Amino acid sequence: NAGVTQTPKFRILKIGQSMTLQCTQDMNHNYMYWYRQDPGMGLKLIYYSVGAGITDKGEVPNGYNVSRSTTEDFPLRLELAAPSQTSVYFCATGLGEYEQYFGPGTRLTVT
Amino acid sequence: GENVEQHPSTLSVQEGDSAVIKCTYSDSASNYFPWYKQELGKRPQLIIDIRSNVGEKKDQRIAVTLNKTAKHFSLHITETQPEDSAVYFCAAWGDSSYKLIFGSGTRLLVRP
Repeated sequence: NAGVTQTPKFRILKIGQSMTLQCTQDMNHNYMYWYRQDPGMGLKLIYYSVGAGITDKGEVPNGYNVSRSTTEDFPLRLELAAPSQTSVYFCATGLGEYEQYFGPGTRLTVT
Repeated sequence: GENVEQHPSTLSVQEGDSAVIKCTYSDSASNYFPWYKQELGKRPQLIIDIRSNVGEKKDQRIAVTLNKTAKHFSLHITETQPEDSAVYFCAAWGDSSYKLIFGSGTRLLVRP
């Protein structure tokens, strides 16, 4: 089992460009999460989903969008990238009130 | 709203000494409290967790204690080793919000 996979590993975007960060899990978990982690800082929740077709905003949702059409996939869309979105993005999955499993992360630079 | 406060933000100890990191949470309905370790450039990984029906849990050199009345929980690392150097995050499960509320992290440095 691959667990939680994220693509790409690294990406450099120009200001105003858009991209989708992919997250796929084969653990059959209902709960999925997107976090961002700025250098030397903690984890900030962007969006999360408790099941296919259901998404909710976290603490920093502005500038991002998500969808959850299947249990396995939870893509994060960045529209009109800004330098403030330079960060490491982690996807995580879980079964609720249990361990969350994190993906390896996507390192994004917006210049 | 839901909040988890974590202290200290940085901690430097001599190899072999003990390290203690403390967290407080606001949601009295929280029942699940995990601790994650994040090494430099890596993803966070669970090292230990505790549920509200127990007051203490140990796993080799790591222990977690929970005081539900005071809404405090702590991570204790004994006989620290250089490989314990990392950032540690506490978290509490938000019972009504279906997400983990993370503390701000503690950077632990173990000096050889």
